[in-house]
Amino acid sequence: EAGVAQSPRYKIIEKRQSVAFWCNPISGHATLYWYQQILGQGPKLLIQFQNNGVVDDSQLPKDRFSAERLKGVDSTLKIQPAKLEDSAVYLCASSSSGTGTEKLFFGSGTQLSVL
Amino acid sequence: QKEVEQDPGPLSVPEGAIVSLNCTYSNSAFQYFMWYRQYSRKGPELLMYTYSSGNKEDGRFTAQVDKSSKYISLFIRDSQPSDSATYLCAIPYGGSQGNLIFGKGTKLSVKP
Repeated sequence: EAGVAQSPRYKIIEKRQSVAFWCNPISGHATLYWYQQILGQGPKLLIQFQNNGVVDDSQLPKDRFSAERLKGVDSTLKIQPAKLEDSAVYLCASSSSGTGTEKLFFGSGTQLSVL
Repeated sequence: QKEVEQDPGPLSVPEGAIVSLNCTYSNSAFQYFMWYRQYSRKGPELLMYTYSSGNKEDGRFTAQVDKSSKYISLFIRDSQPSDSATYLCAIPYGGSQGNLIFGKGTKLSVKP
């Protein structure tokens, strides 16, 4: 079974530039999550999709971050403009139904450095 | 007060040692408790989860919950160098929405 695919693996940009990350979840998984993991911290949820609808985006900084999952499969997360504090690993995860006790499958993440 | 607190370590032990990893939480309404393991440059993977109070064992790993003191633990017996990783406690919130609050993670190193 193929895992959660993310690209790019690494990205270095300067502040005020824009950047986009891509995620392809495990086939058939209805729920997709984007988490932000700052060095030395645990992952923090940014947004949750159920199919192509947003379930929770309460922690997404909407003035600069946006995400979409148009066809209910793959997803993109965009930052525009980036700030220094956005330097982190951006993790995508998926699960089949989105309940709290269900296993989340994480990708390896995109490591973003903002200079 | 943060909802989930975890000592970040690092923790270094010799091979074969018993390891104890711990988290505390603040919301008494939490019912499910999870442990994720994260290897360097990888995403977290679910190791174990428990419901309410009590113990759950899976091979060399035991998860323990004490709801009266809001304390959760993960014990690793006969630790191996391959156990070297960051261990994150995680608690789902939001009912059926399935979102997780993670602790900071404890970095464990098992020396041969």
